[in-house]
Amino acid sequence: NAGVTQTPKFQVLKTGQSMTLQCAQDMNHNSMYWYRQDPGMGLRLIYYSASEGTTDKGEVPNGYNVSRLNKREFSLRLESAAPSQTSVYFCASSDGSPGQYYTDTQYFGPGTRLTVL
Amino acid sequence: QKEVEQDPGPLSVPEGAIVSLNCTYSNSAFQYFMWYRQYSRKGPELLMYTYSSGNKEDGRFTAQVDKSSKYISLFIRDSQPSDSATYLCAMRKGRRALTFGSGTRLQVQP
Repeated sequence: NAGVTQTPKFQVLKTGQSMTLQCAQDMNHNSMYWYRQDPGMGLRLIYYSASEGTTDKGEVPNGYNVSRLNKREFSLRLESAAPSQTSVYFCASSDGSPGQYYTDTQYFGPGTRLTVL
Repeated sequence: QKEVEQDPGPLSVPEGAIVSLNCTYSNSAFQYFMWYRQYSRKGPELLMYTYSSGNKEDGRFTAQVDKSSKYISLFIRDSQPSDSATYLCAMRKGRRALTFGSGTRLQVQP
């Protein structure tokens, strides 16, 4: 039982390049999330998927796109990377059962460290 | 102004000390409160959650919520070097979105 896995662990891009961050969970969770973590800013929600087939914007969605490929996988794409997107990216998942959202615990992956030059 | 404020530290204490970590928030719509622990270069992991004013205890950890003051705390008794980490408060006002504090870095000296 691996929990939430993320690939790659590290990535360096040049401005304007594109890339996709991959996330998978094996806990049969309905909901998945992408956050970015910057010094002094805490974790900020980029996009989330409440259930398979749905995606919604979070606090900082500009410059990103997401795909909920199936129940297990949720990817984050940077179409044209910018230095402001240098950050640590975390994927998370939660059970997301209807009516249980107040006790809905999010489980985080190990993160992807992205540097955009 | 951020909705959730948390002192970034670092906070350095000797082993065995009682640690107090705090967050304040501005939006009274927050109803559900959590503390996450994050070791260096790892993802956050849930420590405790609570949804009412008052105290909740779990081993050496106590979470305290004061909704009237919009203030939450995490106390760690008999702190250990293994408690050295960044502690993030988080709270929820909507269906699923969590709002995180910026985290307090704690160092427990042996």
